Amino acid sequence: KAGVTQTPRYLIKTRGQQVTLSCSPISGHRSVSWYQQTPGQGLQFLFEYFSETQRNKGNFPGRFSGRQFSNSRSEMNVSTLELGDSALYLCASSSIKGVGQETQYFGPGTRLLVL
Amino acid sequence: AQKVTQAQTEISVVEKEDVTLDCVYETRDTTYYLFWYKQPPSGELVFLIRRNSFDEQNEISGRYSWNFQKSTSSFNFTITASQVVDSAVYFCALSEGGRSQGNLIFGKGTKLSVKP
Repeated sequence: KAGVTQTPRYLIKTRGQQVTLSCSPISGHRSVSWYQQTPGQGLQFLFEYFSETQRNKGNFPGRFSGRQFSNSRSEMNVSTLELGDSALYLCASSSIKGVGQETQYFGPGTRLLVL
Repeated sequence: AQKVTQAQTEISVVEKEDVTLDCVYETRDTTYYLFWYKQPPSGELVFLIRRNSFDEQNEISGRYSWNFQKSTSSFNFTITASQVVDSAVYFCALSEGGRSQGNLIFGKGTKLSVKP
């Protein structure tokens, strides 16, 4: 099976712009989660989607949003970019076999640099 | 509030040495899951192990072993006979509740350098 794929892998934007990142989960996986990784804050949970519905959300401002499509692919959007949004954005997918049986598999990430 | 602490920021060992990475967690839930992930320089997080709060059996997988102790809220990871390829950042993570792993709480990570 192919792993989690994320596009693009690298992105350079300027302050005030917006950006959309894409994540394709492992085939058959219906849950997609997003994380932000920075040297200062480490790995922080952004949000989780399951069956096109946001099930869980981390403590990030409303500039960060996401969605999931019927094929389980997910996108996250960051509007009005700030310098502090520079980070590695990781996507993870899991199959929902049942409570306690899931494992999250991560993609290679999208490295975003905001100038 | 839930929290994961990895007190060791960086560890450097020589190849073939054994090394233990510490992880201490805090949670109020009785049902929770603990994980270890490896992040090589490429950036992708590689899943290593998941353990639920009701299973305190230690686990061994090749050169890797994990020691889960609820009494001390610790879930330590040992690499036996380390190799250069083990060099990476290792993260311990916690997921609360009897539901999916949508929200993983990560420690700050331990950077392991294995020198030849």
